[in-house]
Parts: sequence; structure tokens; C-alpha cells
Amino acid sequence: SAVISQKPSRDICQRGTSLTIQCQVDSQVTMMFWYRQQPGQSLTLIATANQGSEATYESGFVIDKFPISRPNLTFSTLTVSNMSPEDSSIYLCSTGGTSYNEQFFGPGTRLTVL
Amino acid sequence: GENVEQHPSTLSVQEGDSAVIKCTYSDSASNYFPWYKQELGKRPQLIIDIRSNVGEKKDQRIAVTLNKTAKHFSLHITETQPEDSAVYFCATHFSGTYKYIFGTGTRLKVLA
Repeated sequence: SAVISQKPSRDICQRGTSLTIQCQVDSQVTMMFWYRQQPGQSLTLIATANQGSEATYESGFVIDKFPISRPNLTFSTLTVSNMSPEDSSIYLCSTGGTSYNEQFFGPGTRLTVL
Repeated sequence: GENVEQHPSTLSVQEGDSAVIKCTYSDSASNYFPWYKQELGKRPQLIIDIRSNVGEKKDQRIAVTLNKTAKHFSLHITETQPEDSAVYFCATHFSGTYKYIFGTGTRLKVLA
């Protein structure tokens, strides 16, 4: 399985500011995904990070709020922009690929917005 | 749209007993069904999965069964141990894509 790391592991931020989360994979992967997990809740897909093209966002998530970069096949970033306390969550990246490929998750970034 | 219902939301069992968690999905074209275990403060970990051409799969104390006609699949944990205590998520994928949709999760407590 792919080894996935995320930075930072946690952060406490002031409202109105932005935070960029990095996701690094130890091998080239076709697809990377970004999820949000609010306290005590399930995982909600934010977007699919596509290498060489714009990310594909799910309903309820927009590029202005969650800009994503995917400069190569091993790295992606998610920015949480103009944060409010409602953005306090765990943000996780995961890898995916060909049909039937398992998804593996990064360790997550615990974000608290004051 | 596609959705996955998961039951129960919480489950308490005595150590050594069995636990069963059930998920129902809506998209008949779904063909891959993973189960994840998430311990407190940790990332979700894939513990077992099943593909649509198989009805049952076992791995030591855990097993997954799939009923494609009824569109439901279940996780079975036998001889439960305290370290099985965690939140379990089922998932399936959006038809024709590699994106997953997750169930709402089941918090399993194994009482010693």
C-alpha cells in the first residue's frame, strides 16, 4: 500500500485566515482525493485532485473556498480559505486509481478555527 | 443520487461475542465494497473488501458478505476483543467513477 503523509498534522487558526495542507505519497498515483471529517461524523468527499487539470469538486464545495493543486503524481495541496469556526474538522487526503483499487488515507490534519 | 445507509450507529457487545454491521446501497452498478476501521485519533484503515463477483470473504475473525439482489453488505466480527473497539465505515463507489461514498459509521464497543 502507498505511504501517505500530511502536513501539518494539526493547526489552530484565526477566522478569516487560510491554511494550506500538503499531502505527499511515496509512489505515483493516478488520483488523489480530499475528504473532510467533522467531529463524530463520516467522511465527506470534497474534491478529486487531478494531475494536469483542475480539481473536480463535489456538491457543496467550491474552488474559491477549497483551492486544490496537483502539480505531479505524488503531491497535492488543499487550501481552506477565509476560515470560519464551521471549518473546524479533520481533513484527509487519500489515493485511488484504477478500478477496484483500494483507497489509502493520510493521517489527517486536525484544524481548529477560533 | 447514490447513498449508503449503515446500521446500527452504535453497537456494544461482550468480549468474545460476535458483531454484525450492515450497509445498504442504492446504485445497482456498484461493484466494490470496502470496510474501514477508524480508531480514535487515527486515520481510517482498510480492513477487508469484497467485489461484486464474490458473495463472501473471510480474513481470520472478520468476514464480509454481499447480497447484490438486495443491495446490502455486512461486516461480521467473531470472537470480539477490546482492540476491536473503533468506528467502522462501509463504503462503495459512485457508479462509473473511482470516488467513494461512505456510510455514516458504527461505533463498536467491546466490553471486557
